[in-house]
Amino acid sequence: QSALTQPASVSGSPGQSITISCTGTSSDIGGYNYVSWYQQHPGQAPKLMIYEVSNRPSGVSDRFSGSKSGNTASLTISGLQAEDEADYYCSSYRNSITLVVFGGGTKLTVL
Amino acid sequence: EVQLVDSGGGLVQPGGSLRLSCAASGFTISNYDMHWVRQTTGKGLEWVSGMDTAGGTYYPGSVQGRFTFSREIAKNSLYLQMNSLRVGDTAVYYCVRAKAGSHYYDYWGQGTLVTVSS
Repeated sequence: QSALTQPASVSGSPGQSITISCTGTSSDIGGYNYVSWYQQHPGQAPKLMIYEVSNRPSGVSDRFSGSKSGNTASLTISGLQAEDEADYYCSSYRNSITLVVFGGGTKLTVL
Repeated sequence: EVQLVDSGGGLVQPGGSLRLSCAASGFTISNYDMHWVRQTTGKGLEWVSGMDTAGGTYYPGSVQGRFTFSREIAKNSLYLQMNSLRVGDTAVYYCVRAKAGSHYYDYWGQGTLVTVSS
């Protein structure tokens, strides 16, 4: 199983908002502001959507936002669109040996 | 345009070796931290090695002593030598870029599939 815990699936209708949670420990998510989120469409490589908890790379829609509270990070997608249907993975820095750990991924279905 | 092109994957028997390559363009690899991340169907994403701008390398315990990360700056290319391969190493391997000192991956290669099976 993965180091960080995500729900296996979430769904929403076009125009709605959804939130994907990512739960870790005080050794990773809770200890650092180094949470990232990646979007992966079938057959493609992951794409960075959020870094350092709440920052968006250039070119990523402002419909995507990130936050953190304690040992849990969240990705919120507002105004759902069909193209948002994908797998989403969270990651966090853990330590200088393990470096980065990932969540098991959440499949987002746009109904 | 930043681009990472992964290659070298294939089918190998348990105990065998394979060398992956990553050709980078649009930036200089020695100005960034570079990593390899693998993705399996069952275990999801896993960081498997990293190299900082000075050329220092880092590995998790699962591959320490079996995998070696190297680079050839003149060719702007990176390599992952994988020895003593196990069935559990079967995955798609991605070369990824990170800004120096950061812990997020802003560019990914297209991935190369490594299958370890008898």
